[in-house]
Amino acid sequence: EPEVTQTPSHQVTQMGQEVILRCVPISNHLYFYWYRQILGQKVEFLVSFYNNEISEKSEIFDDQFSVERPDGSNFTLKIRSTKLEDSAMYFCASSEAWVERGGVQPLNEQFFGPGTRLTVL
Amino acid sequence: DQQVKQNSPSLSVQEGRISILNCDYTNSMFDYFLWYKKYPAEGPTFLISISSIKDKNEDGRFTVFLNKSAKHLSLHIVPSQPGDSAVYFCAASARGYSGGGADGLTFGKGTHLIIQP
Repeated sequence: EPEVTQTPSHQVTQMGQEVILRCVPISNHLYFYWYRQILGQKVEFLVSFYNNEISEKSEIFDDQFSVERPDGSNFTLKIRSTKLEDSAMYFCASSEAWVERGGVQPLNEQFFGPGTRLTVL
Repeated sequence: DQQVKQNSPSLSVQEGRISILNCDYTNSMFDYFLWYKKYPAEGPTFLISISSIKDKNEDGRFTVFLNKSAKHLSLHIVPSQPGDSAVYFCAASARGYSGGGADGLTFGKGTHLIIQP
C-alpha cells in the first residue's frame, strides 16, 4: 500500500541553525501538507501546497519557514533559524484531489507520514 | 482555542467490549470529520470519516456517529481488540465534502485507548 515517507526520523540541531525536513508524498497525490505536534499538545496545521505553490498557511508558518518541491517526488520543509520552541514532531501529509467546477480541490482524507522528531538544543 | 475537544485523555476497555470515543466541536464551519489512530513513533493513520450531510458511517468494526445539533461525534469500535490500543484523534475540516475552503485539519488532543485482555 502506498505511504508517505519522511527523513530523517530524528534531527538534532543547535539553536539558530537551518534544518530541512524531507518528505516523499504518495505518488498520485497532488496536495501536500506539513503539520507539527509539540510534545503534549495537539497536531497543528502549518501549510498546504499545490501546483508548486502554497495553498494555505497557518499563523504558525511565519517567515522562518518555507516549503519546496525540488523535484517530482520530494517535498521539503525548511526552518531557517531554529529556535528552542521549534522542537516538535513534524508530520508530512498528502491527499488526492479532484476536479470540480472552478478548479482542483483536495479530498479531505489526508495521509500522514511517520514524522520527523526535531530537537533544537 | 479548542475548536475540537476530546475530553477524555484516556479510556480503558475490556477486549471484546465496545469502545466509544467522543469528540465535541465548536466551529459551525466544520462540515467534514475524520478519525485517526496513532501508535507511538508513527504518524496518524486515517481510520474513518463522515461528512455533515450524514449522521452515521460504518466500516467494519468502526462506526462514526455525528450529531450536528449537539456538535458531537463519536467513534464506536466493536468488538475491541488488543491491536486497537492506540491514541485516537478526532479531526475536522471546514473545507466541505465537495472542496473549497480551509485546507488544514483541526485536531483534538487525542484519547489514549487501552484494550485490556
